[in-house]
Amino acid sequence: ELKVEQNPLFLSMQEGKNYTIYCNYSTTSDRLYWYRQDPGKSLESLFVLLSNGAVKQEGRLMASLDTKARLSTLHITAAVHDLSATYFCAVDTQGGSEKLVFGKGTKLTVNP
Amino acid sequence: KAGVTQTPRYLIKTRGQQVTLSCSPISGHRSVSWYQQTPGQGLQFLFEYFSETQRNKGNFPGRFSGRQFSNSRSEMNVSTLELGDSALYLCASSPRGFRVDTQYFGPGTRLTVL
Repeated sequence: ELKVEQNPLFLSMQEGKNYTIYCNYSTTSDRLYWYRQDPGKSLESLFVLLSNGAVKQEGRLMASLDTKARLSTLHITAAVHDLSATYFCAVDTQGGSEKLVFGKGTKLTVNP
Repeated sequence: KAGVTQTPRYLIKTRGQQVTLSCSPISGHRSVSWYQQTPGQGLQFLFEYFSETQRNKGNFPGRFSGRQFSNSRSEMNVSTLELGDSALYLCASSPRGFRVDTQYFGPGTRLTVL
């Protein structure tokens, strides 16, 4: 059974600071996705990472994938309040029965 | 371009009943995926339809089923509802599927089972 672990689960940071959210997974996969969810809202797709070494950037967020280490990171640069949300990673099991397995999410709060 | 729409937005049912949820994708998108979100289990993938065929299925019992029509609209059905089926059900559409394209999510249907 594929396990996807995100850490930290809760992150409180100050505006202007940098931080990284980690997503570890327990089985071989070379596809990983990041999503954002604002409180009480639906999901927003952020990044689709399709191969080892993939790096994608959008604004203050940058995601990368290391399939050998079974690790993806979501790096936040110079955080602003608008980035406050819950961030989920999801791993594509490809051949597995569950197909797409989500982490528990990281609730990010950016304080002024 | 209109976004993904889901109907109804809220639904209350009792145990043992069945329910049908609807999802209209963005025009031109052929893939529709469904997800369940609960406080206890988090986000879980239900299934994906592409060009009227179920292409991927998550680990859910057979009470959960779906279909996709020729206009790409999709419905999800849950039979013999259980209390644990109370959840936010999200659908998402993309041109070719979640494995290659960015997905666009609808606002969700909040199902409460009493």
